Amino acid sequence: QVQLVQSGAEVKKPGASVKVSCKASTYPFTDYFVHWVRQAPGQGLEWMGWINPNGGDTKYAKKFQGRAAMTRDKAFRTVYMELRRLTSDDTAIYYCARVNPAASYGMDVWGQGTTVIVSS
Amino acid sequence: QSALTQPASVSGSPGQSITMSCTGTSSDIGGISYVSWYQQHPDKAPKLMIYDVSNRPSGVSNRFSGSKSGNTASLTISGLQVEDEAIYFCSSYTTSSTYVFGTGTKVSV
Repeated sequence: QVQLVQSGAEVKKPGASVKVSCKASTYPFTDYFVHWVRQAPGQGLEWMGWINPNGGDTKYAKKFQGRAAMTRDKAFRTVYMELRRLTSDDTAIYYCARVNPAASYGMDVWGQGTTVIVSS
Repeated sequence: QSALTQPASVSGSPGQSITMSCTGTSSDIGGISYVSWYQQHPDKAPKLMIYDVSNRPSGVSNRFSGSKSGNTASLTISGLQVEDEAIYFCSSYTTSSTYVFGTGTKVSV
């Protein structure tokens, strides 16, 4: 079964960093870019960026440039999203989702989401 | 990149058809044909319903259809069912190789 499995919920203090993982199940890992999307409580979806697991190249939304870092470990079929200098505005559910740009630009499989709470 | 504009809510009765809009700019919807639509039920991850403007993934009902004209994309749900009640988000790839989501439309049945 194709799925993305994310790490568990996190509680962080303002100013700290958080690193969320997203492990891919049995599909050609390097064929699919992995995107990160977050959703603040009661709010809409916000695109953060993508990583190409093949070459490791990344693209970030301007809002997260310099504060977010997406990496991957091909051997473990896992991608990571680290967000630094957290504030209460970063309290949200963080989702990873895959896209195969050779086939389409839709995010066809999503992780279950990781809740990140930033509170002093 | 500003969020795409969607109506806050749309409602309809079972069996009816509804259409919701998603308005962007020439840097996203108007300039590139990679619009997607996602359905999100409460406390669930989003689900892809339409990709690349008008294509349905395997397993998605043919009651869902998408289109685009200029800077505006649309999602139509025909034969509305109770289980269609959810929030729908549009999304577009952009000419800057980024993505942008819409503000979301709550569908009430």
